[in-house]
Amino acid sequence: AQSVTQLDSQVPVFEEAPVELRCNYSSSVSVYLFWYVQYPNQGLQLLLKYLSGSTLVESINGFEAEFNKSQTSFHLRKPSVHISDTAEYFCAVSNTNAGKSTFGDGTTLTVKP
Amino acid sequence: DTGVSQDPRHKITKRGQNVTFRCDPISEHNRLYWYRQTLGQGPEFLTYFQNEAQLEKSRLLSDRFSAERPKGSFSTLEIQRTEQGDSAMYLCASAPSTAGGEIEEKLFFGSGTQLSVL
Repeated sequence: AQSVTQLDSQVPVFEEAPVELRCNYSSSVSVYLFWYVQYPNQGLQLLLKYLSGSTLVESINGFEAEFNKSQTSFHLRKPSVHISDTAEYFCAVSNTNAGKSTFGDGTTLTVKP
Repeated sequence: DTGVSQDPRHKITKRGQNVTFRCDPISEHNRLYWYRQTLGQGPEFLTYFQNEAQLEKSRLLSDRFSAERPKGSFSTLEIQRTEQGDSAMYLCASAPSTAGGEIEEKLFFGSGTQLSVL
């Protein structure tokens, strides 16, 4: 069985500040890890993923996440956030395919001017 | 690419009634997934199809729930004798086929159907 814990349900930050959204997982086998973003009134979109190889993965809009096997974590970071980053972020884990993922309960990121 | 579409966007029903939701995946995607999301929680996997074959069902999918994908294109999710606990957002996602053993790299989600059971 797998589980995902997103340690913060809400993260308010000011524009241009750095942010970290924390995600820990538990699994007895090798895992694939994902971050999804849900903007207001839109569907979930894949932000970035770790499948294998380099433990640091990046998205096209400046987010990055690092797979830490010893700490079973996959925290999401951005050095400088924008108002447009306001959204709900979900961490997910799978040991088979992306479609059968176990999701965390989400972190609402609110970026204030 | 018109994306994954779900219909209706919202459904309000009375306890005990049957409801049916529809999902139209991206046309070339042969994998289709249903998830349920309740307020304050992340999506929970319900079931998935590869083409018309339903390959797996979660224990969350009680016998009141049934999903079909008769021609390997659109899918329907029916809930019979709805209960208040069925109130949730029902999400559909699709993904393209992968070669044997490869992990799918990306799911495409629809905007969901919000079900309220009164």
